[in-house]
Amino acid sequence: DVKVTQSSRYLVKRTGEKVFLECVQDMDHENMFWYRQDPGLGLRLIYFSYDVKMKEKGDIPEGYSVSREKKERFSLILESASTNQTSMYLCASNQDRFYEQYFGPGTRLTVT
Amino acid sequence: AQTVTQSQPEMSVQEAETVTLSCTYDTSENNYYLFWYKQPPSRQMILVIRQEAYKQQNATENRFSVNFQKAAKSFSLKISDSQLGDTAMYFCAFMRGYGGSQGNLIFGKGTKLSVKP
Repeated sequence: DVKVTQSSRYLVKRTGEKVFLECVQDMDHENMFWYRQDPGLGLRLIYFSYDVKMKEKGDIPEGYSVSREKKERFSLILESASTNQTSMYLCASNQDRFYEQYFGPGTRLTVT
Repeated sequence: AQTVTQSQPEMSVQEAETVTLSCTYDTSENNYYLFWYKQPPSRQMILVIRQEAYKQQNATENRFSVNFQKAAKSFSLKISDSQLGDTAMYFCAFMRGYGGSQGNLIFGKGTKLSVKP
């Protein structure tokens, strides 16, 4: 079974802090994605990566950056957390772009 | 830009009955893919069903089937013999088949389905 894990299920941070969200997949997938999920808005793509050290912006990249130094790991970075970044963050991966994305359990981030 | 619309924020169904979740999308592309994902309460999102736009035959997976109407840009999900474990948030998603942003999913806002005993 494909397993996508995220470093924390719940996280509480203060405004202005630098926040790292980690995602690891164990199936040697080429592609990895970071989404943000908000009630009434569905999922929106923040960043994605199709290869190590390669990244591309999604629909809502402002206030976020990413890092992919190893194939299995994709990190989302909030350089200076703000209250409007309080949300559920979902990581996903797949091998073939046009097939199923496998999702992690999500990290619920609260910024106070 | 592509958009995905799920017009039913919440639905409920009795156990063992059939329910249909609606999804419409807007695109000028001819080559694309459509998905239904399920997110149970406090659990991971999983794929329910996938449809290639070039295939006329509707996809089916056990109790789950779709009604894909390409001309109408409609992609509804039918759940037969509903079970308590079907209680979840259901998301319809669109993916371009080529060109920029290929492979990226565009999600609808979701439909919360409750199956009642």
